[in-house]
Amino acid sequence: GQQVMQIPQYQHVQEGEDFTTYCNSSTTLSNIQWYKQRPGGHPVFLIQLVKSGEVKKQKRLTFQFGEAKKNSSLHITATQTTDVGTYFCAGLHGDYKLSFGAGTTVTVRA
Amino acid sequence: NAGVTQTPKFRVLKTGQSMTLLCAQDMNHEYMYWYRQDPGMGLRLIHYSVGEGTTAKGEVPDGYNVSRLKKQNFLLGLESAAPSQTSVYFCASSILLTYEQYFGPGTRLTVT
Repeated sequence: GQQVMQIPQYQHVQEGEDFTTYCNSSTTLSNIQWYKQRPGGHPVFLIQLVKSGEVKKQKRLTFQFGEAKKNSSLHITATQTTDVGTYFCAGLHGDYKLSFGAGTTVTVRA
Repeated sequence: NAGVTQTPKFRVLKTGQSMTLLCAQDMNHEYMYWYRQDPGMGLRLIHYSVGEGTTAKGEVPDGYNVSRLKKQNFLLGLESAAPSQTSVYFCASSILLTYEQYFGPGTRLTVT
């Protein structure tokens, strides 16, 4: 089964509101990556976090890596219709493979 | 520079038929992966390869075989298709240093 849990599975957001999706691993991660998949598309790499407590920003997106390197979050401010899609976290457990979370599917009400 | 390409884009198989999905990348990446994506289950790793001539099992390898005869190509085979293999299949490649994955456009497979 999956080693990385992601919540919530669905997020319905009013345009302009903020939301956060969370990712948790049962084991310590070497790094964590975030991907976005638009409806009908393929996953596209957004960012990678490597250091304990690391915080990175991409415009309205803020990514955090927990101090224990077992959890991560993605916070989106002022949601826009272009944010629609499924956001996946993926954890690297020290080998060549990423474990993907089940994803958070975001829909936006205009 | 096409990135990662997958052939075919769509396919319908009858139970028991066989097929091969082809993945090609032109980025000289060492690592290549095959995933399947099912609703509510994210991406699950089927098989992966860390270099030409090497392959390894992922999370859900049963019913699939792979080969990596050339660095740029990674083939996924279904010997006897089953309805449970109805899914969207994604190929990805990554570089050694960061494991950042580049995905292909996907193959939508239906087994009836």
